[in-house]
Amino acid sequence: EVQLVESGGGLIQPGGSLRLACVASGFTSGSYSMNWVRQAPGRGLEWVAYISSSSGIMHYADSVKGRFTISKDNAKNALHLQMNSLRVEDTAVYYCARVRGGIAATPGDIDYWGQGTLVTVSS
Amino acid sequence: QSVLTQPPSVSEAPRQRVTISCSGSSSNIGRNAVNWYQQLPGKAPKLLIYYDDLLASGVSVRFSGSKSGTSASLAISGLQSEDGADYYCAAWDDSLKAVVFGGGTRLTVL
Repeated sequence: EVQLVESGGGLIQPGGSLRLACVASGFTSGSYSMNWVRQAPGRGLEWVAYISSSSGIMHYADSVKGRFTISKDNAKNALHLQMNSLRVEDTAVYYCARVRGGIAATPGDIDYWGQGTLVTVSS
Repeated sequence: QSVLTQPPSVSEAPRQRVTISCSGSSSNIGRNAVNWYQQLPGKAPKLLIYYDDLLASGVSVRFSGSKSGTSASLAISGLQSEDGADYYCAAWDDSLKAVVFGGGTRLTVL
């Protein structure tokens, strides 16, 4: 059974840093590309970042470019999101999401989601 | 403003059929697969439809997807109270180099 478990969320002041983690089980994360997607309270889904299976390709939403860094640790079946220079508008539940396998899959082909971790940026 | 456009809400009576539209452009829906997700209150999104019209494992056959040009649709037949949720479409955008989502549609089963 595929499972994605996020951790690392919490309350942080504006300008601070936070590092999110997502541990995968039920599949080998090294074989899959991954995304981070967030959802602000009462709002819709917003894509944050993508990393390819080999970590050779990364893409970021304009709203986080230069502040957030996505990375994978395939040896630990883990995905990370380093978030720096946090802003109030970064407050959201952050979901780790797996991209469907297969050569035809694009970064938008998400098949599994974690339960999310809440990040609150406030003074 | 979301890159993919969905109606904010739809409502229909039990046992009826409802469709949710998702409008995009040639750089996203027109070129890449559309996926549909259901999000129940307080829960993570769940995949319903992938590659435009394929039913995800374990999902009821009452759900179906279709695509034509730069628009896609999700249909739910035989509505049940437990179908009340938020529904999102998503696709990769080749020009933006971004995963784009619709703004979400809240379905109310009357």
